[in-house]
Order: sequence, then structure tokens, then C-alpha cells
Amino acid sequence: SQQGEEDPQALSIQEGENATMNCSYKTSINNLQWYRQNSGRGLVHLILIRSNEREKHSGRLRVTLDTSKKSSSLLITASRAADTASYFCATAQTGANNLFFGTGTRLTVIP
Amino acid sequence: DTAVSQTPKYLVTQMGNDKSIKCEQNLGHDTMYWYKQDSKKFLKIMFSYNNKELIINETVPNRFSPKSPDKAHLNLHINSLELGDSAVYFCASSQTSGGVAQYFGPGTRLLVL
Repeated sequence: SQQGEEDPQALSIQEGENATMNCSYKTSINNLQWYRQNSGRGLVHLILIRSNEREKHSGRLRVTLDTSKKSSSLLITASRAADTASYFCATAQTGANNLFFGTGTRLTVIP
Repeated sequence: DTAVSQTPKYLVTQMGNDKSIKCEQNLGHDTMYWYKQDSKKFLKIMFSYNNKELIINETVPNRFSPKSPDKAHLNLHINSLELGDSAVYFCASSQTSGGVAQYFGPGTRLLVL
């Protein structure tokens, strides 16, 4: 399968705590992206990390990429109830025109 | 201003019918996509057009036919709808092809009865 796999499938935390989601993939990539999907809505692009980068920050988001392990993690710090959503990783694989999306992590932040 | 819009938002229809979903983007992007998201949230690429030219045509029944009249529009026509076609269909666009950030529409929820 070309898709990535997120772990865990579901995560429930208290507001204010940090949330960490992981993504594993199988092929060589040009970049890896994270998207958020609120219930009943379209996906929203959060952050893109290139294959030659190891870490990237955007606001309360921190993404790491380990190409030797073919894995990435998304950390959301100081979570808020509004962060409740599904989070997907997507890989831009070498030579491909499209993205390959993972299976998603469902995050619930309890107020 | 909505960046990527889709119509209709909901579509309930009978098996065997033919239906169309329309998508428009006002971002000036060259590339547009159709995805299908099933009940388990798995997102599968169906088609992609770059400057009105088909560049991705995944293994999709030929009852599904995309059409891009110009680079701002990508429509999806589905013939002889089946129960298994029930899903959420998302349109997306990106500045170019090749794995850059994509911008998604709100989705069309299709229910085939």
C-alpha cells in the first residue's frame, strides 16, 4: 500500500495537554504534509516538511521527520477544544504527481 | 471568498441514476483533484487535471468521468450510480502538480439508496 499509517488511530486528552501523532510511510518522499479535518468539513493544510528537513514549527505545531525510519510526528502543544479533529499525514512520493494520505488520527480534546 | 467550492453539498439519489458534482477554485491554481473518502475516512485519489489535461486516472470504474472545461473548474459525472458509490467526494486544488500543498473544498456527501 502506498498510503501512510497514523498512530494512534484515536487519542483523547484534556485541554492544555500536548498531543502527539505519528505517521509511518514506506517509500522515498520529497516532502510530508499534515492536514486537519474537522467533522463534516474538508481537509485543511497545516504544515509541509521537506525530505531534507528534520524539524519544523508553526505556532503550536511541531513536526519532525526521520527519513531513515520513514516516520514523522506531529506535536500539538497546549491543546484546545477547537483542536478536536482528525489529523492526516500525506506523503509526496518521488516521481508521483499526487499525495498519498494516511489513515488519520482522531483527536478529541476534552474541555 | 470561498477558495474551493463544490456543489451540491448533499446529494441523495436512487441507484441507477446519473449525477454530477461541480467544483470551482478561485486560487489561480493549475492543478485540480477529485478524492473519495469512505466511511472509514480513507481518502483515495480518483483523478487529477493539470491545466485542463488529465494527469492522474486511478483505478476507478468508468462510470466516473471527470471533465475540466477550464483550469478553474473540474466536474465529476457519475453514471448508473451504485450503493457502493455512497461516500464523501472532495475536490482539491494546488498551485502545481507534484506533491505540493493542496486546498480542499467542503465535500459533497453522496448517498445512493
